[in-house]
Amino acid sequence: ILNVEQSPQSLHVQEGDSTNFTCSFPSSNFYALHWYRWETAKSPEALFVMTLNGDEKKKGRISATLNTKEGYSYLYIKGSQPEDSATYLCAFIMEYGNKLVFGAGTILRVKS
Amino acid sequence: DAGVIQSPRHEVTEMGQEVTLRCKPISGHDYLFWYRQTMMRGLELLIYFNNNVPIDDSGMPEDRFSAKMPNASFSTLKIQPSEPRDSAVYFCASKRDTQGGELFFGEGSRLTVL
Repeated sequence: ILNVEQSPQSLHVQEGDSTNFTCSFPSSNFYALHWYRWETAKSPEALFVMTLNGDEKKKGRISATLNTKEGYSYLYIKGSQPEDSATYLCAFIMEYGNKLVFGAGTILRVKS
Repeated sequence: DAGVIQSPRHEVTEMGQEVTLRCKPISGHDYLFWYRQTMMRGLELLIYFNNNVPIDDSGMPEDRFSAKMPNASFSTLKIQPSEPRDSAVYFCASKRDTQGGELFFGEGSRLTVL
């Protein structure tokens, strides 16, 4: 059974704060790690697809890093804004597979 | 391009009734996934198809659940008979035939079984 864990479960920050959260996954048979943003009343949308150890991806104020040897990825948000409020999901894909296993997500609420 | 299209968006039914959820994937996507979202278990993979063939149905809860993909542009998830514990949001998602490629989700079907 694949175990993909995300922490913290939820986070409340003030506008302008920078924040980060963690996704832990099995370090063996790694193929790819995805990050998705899921806004209330919408469907999840992909933020990053990461495949190489040491990968760093950036989209505006959001960035992510990947460590496949130790089995974790960090998502960073610099200068959080209320529109960043969402659930952030990571998904793990094993080698030779297309099956995405999602973590439970981190709920981020940014107060103005 | 149209995204993944799911119907119905909302379904309220009584225990014991048959429920059919429908999904049209993005044209050209070879993989189709059915997920269920609940408070307790988050996004849970039920089944996925490649080129209309079921590849992994190990997440299907029990025999009451079945899924089909008769052609590349249509899939159904059926629950018969439905039970209150089946109440959840069911998402369909599709992706291209590239390993590691991102999923594109539909808007979900919210099912309530009374």
